[in-house]
Amino acid sequence: GAGVSQSPSNKVTEKGKDVELRCDPISGHTALYWYRQRLGQGLEFLIYFQGNSAPDKSGLPSDRFSAERTGESVSTLTIQRTQQEDSAVYLCASSLAGSGSPLHFGNGTRLTVT
Amino acid sequence: RKEVEQDPGPFNVPEGATVAFNCTYSNSASQSFFWYRQDCRKEPKLLMSVYSSGNEDGRFTAQLNRASQYISLLIRDSKLSDSATYLCVVHDTGRRALTFGSGTRLQVQP
Repeated sequence: GAGVSQSPSNKVTEKGKDVELRCDPISGHTALYWYRQRLGQGLEFLIYFQGNSAPDKSGLPSDRFSAERTGESVSTLTIQRTQQEDSAVYLCASSLAGSGSPLHFGNGTRLTVT
Repeated sequence: RKEVEQDPGPFNVPEGATVAFNCTYSNSASQSFFWYRQDCRKEPKLLMSVYSSGNEDGRFTAQLNRASQYISLLIRDSKLSDSATYLCVVHDTGRRALTFGSGTRLQVQP
């Protein structure tokens, strides 16, 4: 079946612009995660959605970052007034039940802020 | 102290060698443990879950030591295709998201 789909795969933007990244999870997966990975670094947790529960936003680095999810489907991660330090690969993952179930990752969106 | 710590490596080993990685975690109440593999410029992929009694999948063996709060991954008969970064992943009680270690890089050489 289809895996986690992310778009765009690459995004180059100018400092100060807003960007929106999209994630389509695997159908039926109730949990959805966003992680950030800077070049040569580990995965940094950003935000977690589980069903209709309030999202866990504890990893968002600043108020320039926000994310939404429509029901148990598509999620968008928005970065406002982008900065050069926002350059990274943004990875979305989904899992069947959340709370410790294995994650299935998308291919990521490589964001470059110039 | 980081929640999940790994030796970044790189571990350079010849083909056919046996290699082992450890990962330590700080929260004694951690519930679930996994090893993921990440190839260069690719997304992480689940390698195996780690069960309390230890588990094996072909050339790969994972073990959990709750008393010392670490998990291990053993790779036997290393192949060139095993070259990748291996990520230790932990789920903590009370946290809703999985926590990833920074990874251990393995380079298998011919």
